[in-house]
Parts: sequence; C-alpha cells; structure tokens
Amino acid sequence: EAQVTQNPRYLITVTGKKLTVTCSQNMNHEYMSWYRQDPGLGLRQIYYSMNVEVTDKGDVPEGYKVSRKEKRNFPLILESPSPNQTSLYFCASSSDRDAAREQYFGPGTRLTVT
Amino acid sequence: GEDVEQSLFLSVREGDSSVINCTYTDSSSTYLYWYKQEPGAGLQLLTYIFSNMDMKQDQRLTVLLNKKDKHLSLRIADTQTGDSAIYFCASDDAGNNRKLIWGLGTSLAVNP
Repeated sequence: EAQVTQNPRYLITVTGKKLTVTCSQNMNHEYMSWYRQDPGLGLRQIYYSMNVEVTDKGDVPEGYKVSRKEKRNFPLILESPSPNQTSLYFCASSSDRDAAREQYFGPGTRLTVT
Repeated sequence: GEDVEQSLFLSVREGDSSVINCTYTDSSSTYLYWYKQEPGAGLQLLTYIFSNMDMKQDQRLTVLLNKKDKHLSLRIADTQTGDSAIYFCASDDAGNNRKLIWGLGTSLAVNP
C-alpha cells in the first residue's frame, strides 16, 4: 500500500529536550515536505526536499532541522524544542519534480512541548 | 506575498449541495487544488483543475474556476455525513513552483 508514515503519532516533551520525528514514504517520491498546522494559521511549510541531499527552507524553518540522506526518509529534528513549537506536524511527498503537486500526506504527529 | 482565502465554516443538511468558495491572488497559478482533511487524519488530494479550464466534474464533485475574478469553488452534490471535514484550497506558487500557497481551510459540518 502506498503511504507516508510518521512516528511518533503523539509526543509530549519538555523544553530543550532534542527530538526527532521520522517520516518515510514507500512511493519512490523525489519531493518531500514538512508542514505544521495551527488553529487560525492553517498549514505552513517548514522545510522541503527535492531529492537526496537537497533541502530548502519553507515559510517557518526557525527552530527546525531536516536531513535527506535517503530518498524514502525525511526526518524532522527539533534540537531544542520550545512551547511555541507545540503543533500538529505533517510530512508529505510527491512524485512531481517540478512542483509540489498531488502531495500524499502522512497521518500527522501531535507534539506538545511543556 | 500571494494569498489564498476561503471562508472558515460551512454547515449544510445531509442531501443538500455544499459550495465551498476560495479566492486567490496569484494570476500566474497553473494548478489549483482542493484537499480534504478528515478528523484526526492527514490531508488527501480531492481534485485539482488546470488554469485553462473553467470546470471539472468528478462524480459528486464539481470544481468551477473563474480566472478573471480569481475565484475557485468546490461543489459537493448530495452531501453526506462522511463529507464532514476541513477542505483546503491551494494554488501553486508561480514564483516558486516547489511549494503551494494554502488557504486556511473551510470546516464543513453536515447535519443529519
């Protein structure tokens, strides 16, 4: 089954404790992206990647890191999480090299930073 | 910057038609999209329309595009309770075709 998986689905952590949210897709997609979703602010892009070892900032990259060492994986790293990073996070992938079209989304990771 | 706007809430009765509206500012957008987010789930692509089209129909869904007014609408015929979800309108960003410009989402409530 074609899918994007994220782990963990739920996470409660404390300020400053480094964490990684994993994202994996089994569709051999080149494009992958991370979003956060907040009430009243909609969906905002954090980082995206056009291919292995190619990443670029989205609209809200501060406080986040990503890596793309393999085509299927695109982990999101919070080196020192803060309460304002409490949010619902989505990973997405797409086969389109030229645009973020027809994205497939993961089920989301709900992160709470206390 | 470019923007996509949509109303936040819509409530309809089961069996009625739903119309969700969206306006966008980027006249160079090539594709316009509707994504659906069911409760507790990620977004899924519902349908999209190419900018040189006026209308696209797919079973119960009809997308209308008015390029002159930069207005996009999604009509759901015979709305069912399973259609209750948040619907996001998005346009591709002509200045950066590696990202989409997202609306805030319209929460559709279908009442039995």
